[in-house]
Amino acid sequence: GAGVSQSPSNKVTEKGKDVELRCDPISGHTALYWYRQSLGQGLEFLIYFQGNSAPDKSGLPSDRFSAERTGGSVSTLTIQRTQQEDSAVYLCASSLETANTEAFFGQGTRLTVV
Amino acid sequence: ELKVEQNPLFLSMQEGKNYTIYCNYSTTSDRLYWYRQDPGKSLESLFVLLSNGAVKQEGRLMASLDTKARLSTLHITAAVHDLSATYFCAGGDNAGNMLTFGGGTRLMVKP
Repeated sequence: GAGVSQSPSNKVTEKGKDVELRCDPISGHTALYWYRQSLGQGLEFLIYFQGNSAPDKSGLPSDRFSAERTGGSVSTLTIQRTQQEDSAVYLCASSLETANTEAFFGQGTRLTVV
Repeated sequence: ELKVEQNPLFLSMQEGKNYTIYCNYSTTSDRLYWYRQDPGKSLESLFVLLSNGAVKQEGRLMASLDTKARLSTLHITAAVHDLSATYFCAGGDNAGNMLTFGGGTRLMVKP
């Protein structure tokens, strides 16, 4: 596609439910990143993928968060047993490779946990 | 661990004025990025700075990188209202694996 595509754009869920957020990177981009942006805050790194593997999972806030990437393309971020503090905009970015290349961001998924 | 700090966090300026946003980072990083974010929108890439002394300009914005001082600047010349947005700088870790973002500078340009 022309850019990084994320779905859904908005998600309202009840506390305790599981949610899946999807990211479709730019075709040919091997690196994929997930960030979280809380209201009025900066960007918090969650996880990145090089191909299908995730060498760095250090940013995931808790074991309720997991992510996978299949076929070197689409990635899914799953949050289990959502809590209100999980409410944020989840941004996905992709780049041609990890080192020295520009990362392009999707429009984000706004998650609201009620 | 790379830490990135921006200042100021908030900037209100009149149209036609010049100003500079500063981005300091804590450890060696050879890559520095500037992004723009409009309210409710995602991040738009502005500049990629890959070497010491790099300077890039686009319209009224000019970015520079001094790796020895661990400082990048975003200079705004003759600001216009359309530049109102939040600007983020981000540093790349040496392994090239992730971007660490500064807290952002919210710029408001008044007519």
